[in-house]
Amino acid sequence: TQLLEQSPQFLSIQEGENLTVYCNSSSVFSSLQWYRQEPGEGPVLLVTVVTGGEVKKLKRLTFQFGDARKDSSLHITAAQPGDTGLYLCAGAWGGGYQKVTFGIGTKLQVIP
Amino acid sequence: DADVTQTPRNRITKTGKRIMLECSQTKGHDRMYWYRQDPGLGLRLIYYSFDVKDINKGEISDGYSVSRQAQAKFSLSLESAIPNQTALYFCATSDAGSTDTQYFGPGTRLTVL
Repeated sequence: TQLLEQSPQFLSIQEGENLTVYCNSSSVFSSLQWYRQEPGEGPVLLVTVVTGGEVKKLKRLTFQFGDARKDSSLHITAAQPGDTGLYLCAGAWGGGYQKVTFGIGTKLQVIP
Repeated sequence: DADVTQTPRNRITKTGKRIMLECSQTKGHDRMYWYRQDPGLGLRLIYYSFDVKDINKGEISDGYSVSRQAQAKFSLSLESAIPNQTALYFCATSDAGSTDTQYFGPGTRLTVL
C-alpha cells in the first residue's frame, strides 16, 4: 500500500493570511486529487493533477504536483472563513485496476 | 438531485445487531467503494467493486460484507455490529479512467452502543 503523509494536520490562521498544505510520499502516483470536506458531508473534489510539475489554479487556491509525481502542495492565498474545512489529498496508483490512497487530512480553521 | 446518495444518514444501534447501509448513484460509473472515516485515521477502504460481478476486499474488510445489486447500487452490511465500528461511512464512485477520481456520497454516521 502506498502511503501519503499530509502536513500540517491542524492549521488555525487569521483571515487574509496565506497557507500551504503538503502531501508527501516516497511512492510515485499516476495522479493526485485534492478534496475538501465540511463537517457532516462527504469529501468534494477540488482538483486532479496528472502530469509531473503541473500547476493548477482554482481562484485563490493553487495546486502543484511534484516533478517526480511523489508529492503535491495546496497553497491558499488570502484565506477566508469559507475556506474552513478538512483538506484531503488522494493518490491513484497501480497498473490495470488503480487503487487510491488517502492522506489523513489537514483541518483548516480560518478565523474572521 | 445528488449524484451519490446514502441511506440512512444517521443510525444508532446496539451491539450484535445487523445493519445495512445503502448507496445509490446516478453518475453511471462502474466502480463503487465503501470507506470508513475515523478521527486521526483518515479514510480507509472497506470494500470496492469495479462492476456488478466484481467484489474486492479493502484494507479493513473484517466484520463487513457488501452486495452489488446493480451498477447503481452498492450496499454495506455489518453482520453483528460492535462499538469499534462506530464511524462515518462513505460510499464513493469513480469512472474507469486514468485518474480514478472519487465522487463521494454525503455519508452515514453510525453509532454502535
